[in-house]
Amino acid sequence: AQTVTQSQPEMSVQEAETVTLSCTYDTSESDYYLFWYKQPPSRQMILVIRQEAYKQQNATENRFSVNFQKAAKSFSLKISDSQLGDAAMYFCAYRSEQGGSEKLVFGKGTKLTVNP
Amino acid sequence: NAGVTQTPKFQVLKTGQSMTLQCAQDMNHNSMYWYRQDPGMGLRLIYYSASEGTTDKGEVPNGYNVSRLNKREFSLRLESAAPSQTSVYFCASSDGPGLRQPQHFGDGTRLSIL
Repeated sequence: AQTVTQSQPEMSVQEAETVTLSCTYDTSESDYYLFWYKQPPSRQMILVIRQEAYKQQNATENRFSVNFQKAAKSFSLKISDSQLGDAAMYFCAYRSEQGGSEKLVFGKGTKLTVNP
Repeated sequence: NAGVTQTPKFQVLKTGQSMTLQCAQDMNHNSMYWYRQDPGMGLRLIYYSASEGTTDKGEVPNGYNVSRLNKREFSLRLESAAPSQTSVYFCASSDGPGLRQPQHFGDGTRLSIL
């Protein structure tokens, strides 16, 4: 079974600075998807960024980018020019591409605090 | 754009009571899911429905039942609530079986069982 590990329960960053959140995963599959979700205090889960495992190029979405290292099974999220609104729980998630599986496996999350 | 709508948002139950959490999506998605989120834990899948008329167990199905009433609606039922089921419950949908679609989440239901 796949597992997702976020080794940083909490992180903090100064406004306008850059922060990187770590995520590693374990799988024997070659095709899969990886996601970062943001959960602000409102509790709604918001998709931040996604990465297809077959793509070598790292995904970017405005101030958010990933460092995808397939061999190392690592999928870190970099937030540039951090803003107060970025404060939230961030969850890394893995989704299988095989066998008709439709399930997401989530990490335990990293709480990000943004200091003014 | 309502997306995924869950009701209720909050509920307090006594041990042994039953209740149904409702979820509806207006995106014409095939697949729907129920997750629970406990403190310090990631989301864990309870049940999912790949299409109308089908349901499958997830990681933590014990103590729950589900009904895929139609393509829009997917309900989660606790027949005899237990304190261990105190959690925040999320419903999600995706345009399966195409696995390239991310999941869209509702706002969650905070359920407390005394």
